[in-house]
Parts: sequence; C-alpha cells; structure tokens
Amino acid sequence: GAVVSQHPSRVICKSGTSVKIECRSLDFQATTMFWYRQFPKQSLMLMATSNEGSKATYEQGVEKDKFLINHASLTLSTLTVTSAHPEDSSFYICSARVGQGREGYTFGSGTRLTVV
Amino acid sequence: GENVEQHPSTLSVQEGDSAVIKCTYSDSASNYFPWYKQELGKRPQLIIDIRSNVGEKKDQRIAVTLNKTAKHFSLHITETQPEDSAVYFCAARIKAAGNKLTFGGGTRVLVKP
Repeated sequence: GAVVSQHPSRVICKSGTSVKIECRSLDFQATTMFWYRQFPKQSLMLMATSNEGSKATYEQGVEKDKFLINHASLTLSTLTVTSAHPEDSSFYICSARVGQGREGYTFGSGTRLTVV
Repeated sequence: GENVEQHPSTLSVQEGDSAVIKCTYSDSASNYFPWYKQELGKRPQLIIDIRSNVGEKKDQRIAVTLNKTAKHFSLHITETQPEDSAVYFCAARIKAAGNKLTFGGGTRVLVKP
C-alpha cells in the first residue's frame, strides 16, 4: 500500500519549453506532497512542499515562478518546470507521507529531465 | 533549519564485513530518522527507521542506533553482500516543520566480492 505513481519517467525537452511532472497517490490520500531535485551523485534537495487546496511552500532559493506546483486534489500533485534551461536537467522526485497512523514516506519513481 | 551531515561519502568493504555509516543532525526537535537505499536512477527505498523515543532498532542484518544527546545516529550493516552496494541516505524530520525530511549527503557503498 501507499504507492505514489510518477510520470513521465524520462523526458527530453528543448530549452524554453515547459514540462509537467505528475505524481498520483494510488491507494491513499496525500494531503501533502514533497518535491525534490537530485543532481548526479548528490543528495535529494527539497524544492517545495505542496498542500492540497493551498499554495505550495518553497524552499529558500527555489524560484516559485519557474517551478509551478499544483495540488488540486488529494491524489494529484504536479510540478511544472517553466522555460526550462539545460541547468534544470536533473532527477525530480516526489514523496508523500504514508499517514494513517503510520510513519514513513513513499516516493515516486522519479523523472529524469534533460533539457537540450 | 535542520542540517544533516553524513560520513563517509564513500565506503568500500569486503563481502562479509560490516559497514557503518554515521549521521549527525543539528536540530534537537528532530524526531524521526529514516535510512534509505538508492540504486542508480531509482527511487529511494526505506531500509530502516527509528523514532526519537527509541535508542536502537534492528532488522536482520541492518541496525540503527540513535544518540539524542549527541544528536547522531548510525546505520550498521553486518555480513555485507554485493547486492548491498548502493547509495545510502540518512534523513531527519522535524514534525513541527511541516514533516519535511532533510537528507544527508549520501554514502556510496561498494561491497567487493
């Protein structure tokens, strides 16, 4: 149980275009979704926290107008990378708390974004 | 905010030996400490976790110890096997800070057969 489905797994886009990444909680309601970025051989860096029905909270140094987060329902959160540039190429991964009295977090399978 | 330091960054062990990874955290309000194993291009997989009201937890070959006073926690893997080769991350969570996890820098473990 507590599965988060993330799509797409890989995407290649041209500089200047936008890319949307979706994370769906399949068998539970994710009131909060965490979005991470991971550069090669580095750790997971939290970008923002999305809460269903309210504005996302962004970590210091993360541009909210560039990384648009929407959490319109209890089962879907999206991250849109707008006007992508090569330096945005990274592994993006979402995560949600398992909840229901249990500890732990479940992660999406990640999205490898390459901007050319 | 929370800061998590992890050491070593790389660890090479002979198959059958033990591996130990150490993490320190900065905020005494942290109350949950998971450890994740991540293979290349894959999602992190929880291997063990510990809450702040517990000092030690064990699951077969894997154990975690927590010293709240010193603000450090460690992962112990015994009888290592080649399939234990991966990157391991520790993390800490402050419940009052929105339940977000702060990750350590990671340890690349190589188990040599």
